[in-house]
Amino acid sequence: GAVVSQHPSWVICKSGTSVKIECRSLDFQATTMFWYRQFPKQSLMLMATSNEGSKATYEQGVEKDKFLINHASLTLSTLTVTSAHPEDSSFYICSARGGVRPEQYFGPGTRLTVT
Amino acid sequence: AQSVTQPDIHITVSEGASLELRCNYSYGATPYLFWYVQSPGQGLQLLLKYFSGDTLVQGIKGFEAEFKRSQSSFNLRKPSVHWSDAAEYFCAVGADNAGNMLTFGGGTRLMVKP
Repeated sequence: GAVVSQHPSWVICKSGTSVKIECRSLDFQATTMFWYRQFPKQSLMLMATSNEGSKATYEQGVEKDKFLINHASLTLSTLTVTSAHPEDSSFYICSARGGVRPEQYFGPGTRLTVT
Repeated sequence: AQSVTQPDIHITVSEGASLELRCNYSYGATPYLFWYVQSPGQGLQLLLKYFSGDTLVQGIKGFEAEFKRSQSSFNLRKPSVHWSDAAEYFCAVGADNAGNMLTFGGGTRLMVKP
């Protein structure tokens, strides 16, 4: 149980375009989803927290107009990187938490490369 | 503010040898502590967690960790390492039962020699 998927697993886009990443909880209802960014050989940095039906809460230094997060249902959250630039290239990981259990379950990640 | 330190960036052990990965945390109250493993290009898999009770917790894949409040540590151990254990290991601390605000350590990369 507690499986989280991400799509796509990797994506290449041109500078200036937008790309959407999906995060799905497959077998549980995710009341809260989290988006992280991971640079090569570094730890995860929390970008934002989203609760179903509410606006996402962004961490300091994360541009909310650039990284659009939507959590419209209890099983799906999306991260849209708008007007992507090469410095946005990174590994993006989502996680989901459901009910009162504190642990987060992580997706396999999405590798974004902006050329 | 909570923080997590993993002092060892890289560790190399021989297959069959014992392993201990260090984790120190800083948090004012009783923390919620986690160990995750990440294989290359993959997301994180939860190995084990500590919330309360017995300070020695057992996890998956033969891993265990011991919570030591006096040392603010939550070290991960395995008595006999397998080649498939080679990966990146992250220690994390959460602030509350709501599961918000997980703070990760910098990670320890484990390499296993045949």
